[in-house]
Amino acid sequence: DQQVKQNSPSLSVQEGRISILNCDYTNSMFDYFLWYKKYPAEGPTFLISISSIKDKNEDGRFTVFLNKSAKHLSLHIVPSQPGDSAVYFCAALGQGGSEKLVFGKGMKLTVNP
Amino acid sequence: NAGVTQTPKFQVLKTGQSMTLQCAQDMNHNSMYWYRQDPGMGLRLIYYSASEGTTDKGEVPNGYNVSRLNKREFSLRLESAAPSQTSVYFCASSRGADSDYGYTFGSGTRLTVV
Repeated sequence: DQQVKQNSPSLSVQEGRISILNCDYTNSMFDYFLWYKKYPAEGPTFLISISSIKDKNEDGRFTVFLNKSAKHLSLHIVPSQPGDSAVYFCAALGQGGSEKLVFGKGMKLTVNP
Repeated sequence: NAGVTQTPKFQVLKTGQSMTLQCAQDMNHNSMYWYRQDPGMGLRLIYYSASEGTTDKGEVPNGYNVSRLNKREFSLRLESAAPSQTSVYFCASSRGADSDYGYTFGSGTRLTVV
């Protein structure tokens, strides 16, 4: 059973608009959430994270929102740029102190010029 | 540049052959991980090592073995390769449970088993 779900495999947006990437999780023990970005032929790179004690974390154009009651988080990219085109993975950590990340299947974002 | 180095970058094996994927990190990280990425499946944990001298199974360990040779190196071995092991393999490292939980990934090994 998949514990971290990214139900939309892809998203296409226009440059300058907002990109919203969604992620749901099922395990209430998760207490830390991360987003990774992956370009073709490269390894994933850490983008932004949020602790379960917060509901929002910002870093420049990237904001992650967490709704614990709904077990849902989202990544907002504003404004979107063509260089943001990549696969984005949502990941979760917790399960009683475990340091193993559990990843979603990923979502391919395409930002059109 | 500091980071995680994986070798080789590409490999083609025949069914039944064996090989070892190498991974080394120079960030003095305690924990290391092996993931595989398959289309539509995301990143799945094969094995991990929380510290030098320890290894544990992840989500998909069957058909693999690992060795944490020292703090820097964590290798993944396929004893008898199968077509189902065709995948992109990523090694990662982190400071461990007391870190900001960010993983640093290598650039991957693309393995094809024919």
